[in-house]
Amino acid sequence: GIQVEQSPPDLILQEGANSTLRCNFSDSVNNLQWFHQNPWGQLINLFYIPSGTKQNGRLSATTVATERYSLLYISSSQTTDSGVYFCAVPTNFGNEKLTFGTGTRLTIIP
Amino acid sequence: NAGVMQNPRHLVRRRGQEARLRCSPMKGHSHVYWYRQLPEEGLKFMVYLQKENIIDESGMPKERFSAEFPKEGPSILRIQQVVRGDSAAYFCASSPTGFRTGGQPQHFGDGTRLSIL
Repeated sequence: GIQVEQSPPDLILQEGANSTLRCNFSDSVNNLQWFHQNPWGQLINLFYIPSGTKQNGRLSATTVATERYSLLYISSSQTTDSGVYFCAVPTNFGNEKLTFGTGTRLTIIP
Repeated sequence: NAGVMQNPRHLVRRRGQEARLRCSPMKGHSHVYWYRQLPEEGLKFMVYLQKENIIDESGMPKERFSAEFPKEGPSILRIQQVVRGDSAAYFCASSPTGFRTGGQPQHFGDGTRLSIL
């Protein structure tokens, strides 16, 4: 099955800072999702982005499928952005089950 | 709220008891997926179901675990004779179609936190 690596594993930032989170995957994908797991454990859908760029408020994401990576940008960080960010891709091309990355733990300090 | 509904949010069981976790997919979604998250780890796929059918159970432990998605009612993940290692968060997701047929994202519920005493 596909391998999914995220970097950095941990990130500590001051409120107001910008950040870039990376997701590398080992094989071709036709789908990719970004999630935020908040400190209460809830999993929040951020983006469904198999290719191209999308923006939603202070967050944006870019997937370059041909080079097998995706980036999540967070601008003007707020303390509510703290939590773990996961990317997930189909385990095999065209498959339904998702393989999750290792996650990036983001801590925003007031 | 038309989101994926899971209950209970928290479930405590003693070793040897049975645990039943329920998941109602989003309205109009006929594909259900169960994932397990062990402490400090990412989510791992367990099983993929459509109404009355198990499509892929390659991530399910061979013993004690079973899942169903009946024609009427929620999907159920059942764990018999629970052990301490079953302590985890169990997430359910749903989609209107599978990736092969439509390429739709999976929408996740808030999870059930299972604790084994």
